[in-house]
Amino acid sequence: DGGITQSPKYLFRKEGQNVTLSCEQNLNHDAMYWYRQDPGQGLRLIYYSQIVNDFQKGDIAEGYSVSREKKESFPLTVTSAQKNPTAFYLCASTQSGNTEAFFGQGTRLTVV
Amino acid sequence: EDQVTQSPEALRLQEGESSSLNCSYTVSGLRGLFWYRQDPGKGPEFLFTLYSAGEEKEKERLKATLTKKESFLHITAPKPEDSATYLCAVSTSGTYKYIFGTGTRLKVLA
Repeated sequence: DGGITQSPKYLFRKEGQNVTLSCEQNLNHDAMYWYRQDPGQGLRLIYYSQIVNDFQKGDIAEGYSVSREKKESFPLTVTSAQKNPTAFYLCASTQSGNTEAFFGQGTRLTVV
Repeated sequence: EDQVTQSPEALRLQEGESSSLNCSYTVSGLRGLFWYRQDPGKGPEFLFTLYSAGEEKEKERLKATLTKKESFLHITAPKPEDSATYLCAVSTSGTYKYIFGTGTRLKVLA
């Protein structure tokens, strides 16, 4: 079955550490996205990529980095520069900029 | 600035009590409006896409409609399993970015 796989489901980070969240899709979609979801704030866009080897900052990119070396993969690194990283992170993909998004099951990141 | 607003923030219904959720938008060049359902701790699940004013889509107890300023998600005779957060999003011309509303938390009581 086609879909998006995020891993891990739960992640714990110590202060000052970088962590990488994995996102893989087998839908052959061109565009991929990373969102952050906090209670009561909806989905906020971190980064998105329309095509391999290209990506753009979203509304809250500070403290995050991404890469898009393969069409299927769009990993997100949460760096130590992100001051409040505890949140629910969602990866999504779309065939184009005007079609429905398919989401992974999310990664819950907690700073300990 | 492009904006999507959902109301109400939360809604409690008795089983069988029909109601509507609202998604109003202020965007330049609407290309599509999308409805999703999200269960706690899960990723959003796609429900409907609407592309033009007057368009309607139905699926089981849900019906989505679109005007030039807003969309409604009508829930007819809801059941407890319809309890979830319902998200609305729009896509606009010239960008791959989607703008999401903050959602409506629906609770259906048996």
